[in-house]
Amino acid sequence: AQSVTQPDIHITVSEGASLELRCNYSYGATPYLFWYVQSPGQGLQLLLKYFSGDTLVQGIKGFEAEFKRSQSSFNLRKPSVHWSDAAEYFCAVVPSGAGSYQLTFGKGTKLSVIP
Amino acid sequence: DVKVTQSSRYLVKRTGEKVFLECVQDMDHENMFWYRQDPGLGLRLIYFSYDVKMKEKGDIPEGYSVSREKKERFSLILESASTNQTSMYLCASSFLKGDLDTEAFFGQGTRLTVV
Repeated sequence: AQSVTQPDIHITVSEGASLELRCNYSYGATPYLFWYVQSPGQGLQLLLKYFSGDTLVQGIKGFEAEFKRSQSSFNLRKPSVHWSDAAEYFCAVVPSGAGSYQLTFGKGTKLSVIP
Repeated sequence: DVKVTQSSRYLVKRTGEKVFLECVQDMDHENMFWYRQDPGLGLRLIYFSYDVKMKEKGDIPEGYSVSREKKERFSLILESASTNQTSMYLCASSFLKGDLDTEAFFGQGTRLTVV
C-alpha cells in the first residue's frame, strides 16, 4: 500500500545542535515531496519541496532536505536548531502519476528544543 | 500573498447539530481540500474539489459533506455532529497539478469541539 512514514513521533534536541527528521515513502514512482511545519495552534507552512532535479533542496528558515531514491527517503535537516524551531513537522507526498493534486501526509514528528 | 481563510478558529457545537465550516481562498486556485488533524494520526483528507460544483471523497468522508458553489469558497458540512468529530479541521488550496511548480496553502485551522 502507498504510504508516508515518519518513524520518530517526538524528538528533543538542544538549541544549537543539528537536526535530522526522517521521512520514507512507499510509492511505485517517485512522488512529489514536501515538508511542512506547524507551530502550536497554527496552520501548516511549507518549508521546502522536491519535484525533480537537484536532490538536495534548500528551504526557508535554514532547512534543507535530501531526496534519496535508493532509500525512498526525503529527510529534513538543519545544522543548528533555534528555540523557535520547536513545532510539529509533516512530510507529505503527491503521487507523480496521480490525476489530481492530493497530498498524503505522514503522522508528524514533534520537535522539542531545550536551552 | 496567498491567503486561505477559515471563518472560525474555535467552535463548540452540540451533538446532533448541523455544522458548517467555511473556507475562502483568494488566489483563484482550482483545487480545494478539507483535512482533519488528530494527535498521532497526522492529517487525513476528508474531501477535495478540483472545480466548482465538483467534489471527490478523500480517505475519511463518512459523516461529512461539502459544497463548492463558487471557485473561491469550499464548505465542509457535518450533517449531524457527533463527539468523534471533535478535531482540528484544516482547509487548503492549490493550483491543478501538472507542469506547474505548485504547492498547497493552508488556512489557520478550525478547532471544533462537539459536546
